[in-house]
Amino acid sequence: QSALTQPPSVSGAPGQRVTISCTGSSSNIGAGFDVVWYQQVPGTAPKVLIYGSINRPSGVPDRFSGSKSGASASLAITGLQAEDEADYYCQSSDSSLSGWVFGGGTKLTVL
Amino acid sequence: EVQLVESGGALVQPGGSLRLSCAASGFTFTTYWMYWVRQAPGKGLVWVSRINSDGTRINYADPVKGRFTISRDNAKNTLYLQMNSLRAEDTAVYYCVRASVATDWGQGTLVTVSS
Repeated sequence: QSALTQPPSVSGAPGQRVTISCTGSSSNIGAGFDVVWYQQVPGTAPKVLIYGSINRPSGVPDRFSGSKSGASASLAITGLQAEDEADYYCQSSDSSLSGWVFGGGTKLTVL
Repeated sequence: EVQLVESGGALVQPGGSLRLSCAASGFTFTTYWMYWVRQAPGKGLVWVSRINSDGTRINYADPVKGRFTISRDNAKNTLYLQMNSLRAEDTAVYYCVRASVATDWGQGTLVTVSS
């Protein structure tokens, strides 16, 4: 069982907006640690979409946005495209583990 | 450009040992915490271990405590993961990760534990 909870799957039609939630606890997101969101196409390394909970690296489209409130975070994807179909993971630090925690991953299907 | 190149993955029998390496370039290796993260086939990402910039602070995830040892050679810009008493459940792609603000990942190396 992952320390951060994500829905196993989400889906949406091209052009639509989807959100992926990431729920933590008082030892990780709730403790104020920032969240990183990754996109992973099977067989490849994870790619950073959002860091510091809300920041986008250069090259990541502004269709991707992150937010954080309390012990939870969310990734929003607007203007859904076929190329967005992938697995998405959230990650934070955890004071009780003295390391990183990940969500279990969310598979995004573009209908 | 930041580059992290893992090596050392292989097929090993249960109970065996393996040492993974991660060659770092394109940044000042001596100033960053470094992490190992693994991903079992078809499963999610799992943190394994971390080490601070000078190697004096180390942490492990519970499943690998007492079996895995993380280390670094700052003179060679290389991160290591010594894995002993390997089990089938250690089968995974192992990623080397730089703990920058956004994180930077290597391409991963596959470790398969099977008889």
